[in-house]
Amino acid sequence: GAVVSQHPSWVICKSGTSVKIECRSLDFQATTMFWYRQFPKQSLMLMATSNEGSKATYEQGVEKDKFLINHASLTLSTLTVTSAHPEDSSFYICSARDSPTGYYGYTFGSGTRLTVV
Amino acid sequence: AQSVAQPEDQVNVAEGNPLTVKCTYSVSGNPYLFWYVQYPNRGLQFLLKYITGDNLVKGSYGFEAEFNKSQTSFHLKKPSALVSDSALYFCAVRVGGVYNFNKFYFGSGTKLNVKP
Repeated sequence: GAVVSQHPSWVICKSGTSVKIECRSLDFQATTMFWYRQFPKQSLMLMATSNEGSKATYEQGVEKDKFLINHASLTLSTLTVTSAHPEDSSFYICSARDSPTGYYGYTFGSGTRLTVV
Repeated sequence: AQSVAQPEDQVNVAEGNPLTVKCTYSVSGNPYLFWYVQYPNRGLQFLLKYITGDNLVKGSYGFEAEFNKSQTSFHLKKPSALVSDSALYFCAVRVGGVYNFNKFYFGSGTKLNVKP
């Protein structure tokens, strides 16, 4: 089946630094990937839609300059949290459409636990 | 507005007993309904989906769900619970259409506790 790999699985960074999270589709091409954020004991909130070769589409309230998304190839999307602060600590999950139209399935990565100290 | 509701934060069931995790939705247009399971510090794993066809959908690990259009519900069920089923379960709806085709709306999640 379709597999989405997310790296790193966890990261601790100092306040003010930037951290990059990678999302890779291992056995399929993903023209569209999605980034979610999940706070403890809460649901997933869509942050942005990442489109290969074009700018990402951000959801209302998500800071574009803080959460930089790059989707340079059909198998890789990256989320960079810039100038991280403790309030950015969260669980970040990516997903990708695992069929040409995405009509049925979306595969989720295993998530990245970000802790900003 | 589109929304998904999981009315129970937590469901407790004894191993071997049947389980139900409830989900109701409110969307415009045809809903595509999904159930996902999440283990601690892990991403979401797909369980099952309803797109069209039979209202009773069978999925992974013995789970099934029943789509009820009149009640706008999509409850997750399993005839006999296992301790290993203990996890966080999310109901989600994906709405068709030009602008929202890719957007999932997730419920708040229900923690399932299966006790030996």
